[in-house]
Amino acid sequence: GAVVSQHPSWVICKSGTSVKIECRSLDFQATTMFWYRQFPKQSLMLMATSNEGSKATYEQGVEKDKFLINHASLTLSTLTVTSAHPEDSSFYICSANRGGNQPQHFGDGTRLSIL
Amino acid sequence: DAKTTQPPSMDCAEGRAANLPCNHSTISGNEYVYWYRQIHSQGPQYIIHGLKNNETNEMASLIITEDRKSSTLILPHATLRDTAVYYCIAASSNTGKLIFGQGTTLQVKP
Repeated sequence: GAVVSQHPSWVICKSGTSVKIECRSLDFQATTMFWYRQFPKQSLMLMATSNEGSKATYEQGVEKDKFLINHASLTLSTLTVTSAHPEDSSFYICSANRGGNQPQHFGDGTRLSIL
Repeated sequence: DAKTTQPPSMDCAEGRAANLPCNHSTISGNEYVYWYRQIHSQGPQYIIHGLKNNETNEMASLIITEDRKSSTLILPHATLRDTAVYYCIAASSNTGKLIFGQGTTLQVKP
C-alpha cells in the first residue's frame, strides 16, 4: 500500500490565488521530504528539500518566495504555491525518505491547473 | 550525484524478459544505483536499488558490473502493465537527493 500520501490529487483555481499541497508519510517518520515538479513530456525536476524543523533548501532557479515549504512535523510537509499563475500549472510530486540507504517513496502527485 | 545515461526507448514482447541498460561511468564509491518507474500521470514507483552486489526482489533483478560503471534492470516476464518510463539514478544516501534524467520509455507489446 501507499506509504506517502499526497493531497489534493488535482486542483483547478484562478490566477492569483494560493494553493497548498500536503505530503504525508503514512507509516514512518521522515526528517527529509522532497518536492518535484514535472511538465508534460518532461522528467521530474527537483525543486527543494524539505527539512523537519528547519528551512527548506531550494534548488537553483526555484523561487523560495513563490514556493513556500513547511515541514512542521515528522510526517507532514506542505508546499504552497503563492499567487499562482498559468505558468505554474504543472504536476507536483513529493517524496519521503526513511533514512539511511532506504529508497525514497513518492506520492501520487498533484495536478495543478491555474486558469 | 553521478550522471546516468539510458536509451530513450525500448520495446519488449509480452512475457519476455525486458533488459534495461544504464550507464553511470562517473559513479562514486558511496553512490547507490536506484531504479524507479513512472506510469503516466502517477508518481514514480520504487523498483530496486543496489550498491555493488546484484539484487533481486519480487519486481525485478539488478545487475551491476564489477567496475560499477553500468547496470541492467531485468524484468523477468514483462506484462503490458510494465509499460512505463524507467529511471536509473545514481545517488548518495547522505543527501538523499534524486536527480532524474530522461529515462527509458519501455513499451511492452502483446
